Amino acid sequence: DSGVTQTPKHLITATGQRVTLRCSPRSGDLSVYWYQQSLDQGLQFLIQYYNGEERAKGNILERFSAQQFPDLHSELNLSSLELGDSALYFCASSRGRAQETQYFGPGTRLLVL
Amino acid sequence: QQQVKQSPQSLIVQKGGIPIINCAYENTAFDYFPWYQQFPGKGPALLIAIRPDVSEKKEGRFTISFNKSAKQFSLHIMDSQPGDSATYFCAASKDNDYKLSFGAGTTVTVRA
Repeated sequence: DSGVTQTPKHLITATGQRVTLRCSPRSGDLSVYWYQQSLDQGLQFLIQYYNGEERAKGNILERFSAQQFPDLHSELNLSSLELGDSALYFCASSRGRAQETQYFGPGTRLLVL
Repeated sequence: QQQVKQSPQSLIVQKGGIPIINCAYENTAFDYFPWYQQFPGKGPALLIAIRPDVSEKKEGRFTISFNKSAKQFSLHIMDSQPGDSATYFCAASKDNDYKLSFGAGTTVTVRA
């Protein structure tokens, strides 16, 4: 158990809908990272927050947004969902410095029908 | 495009065999190379990491070999066990960069 929690575990929704994925980092970790894992694209970095501020951005679509709250939990919002958004979404956390160990949560499996 | 190329996609070995996973990169600014292990239904977990100033690093039965001039690195699992069956990802990042670029992953199956 990494200490990172993600909810929900599974999510089934329809195209065009909006969903929110939630992540609670390990105690003491200030950084939260979001990744998308799909069969054809592998593990793709989406975005990173440090202590409430966006710090790094990867291949995140404009339909997706994230934020980190004062209690350090983070939410990833996915809107106008398309079939291709079906994937596993992982949250990871770390203390806050670059190139340190990232601890991954169990993931949220999203299925868009 | 994939900044870190990983091969093979999958491999099967007998218990006690040595699966070898290879990764290659182009960006010479990369200076941190972790390997993550992922079991079905779980998130990836850091296994071992290396920096370019060393050519080899061992942790238990896992060994990373690093060839800076060839821009390649590999993971060897010595005396592999069925419990090592998992997907392995290599990754890379640059100094002061929070982003990890992952390889496509290798599914290793160790037969008893």
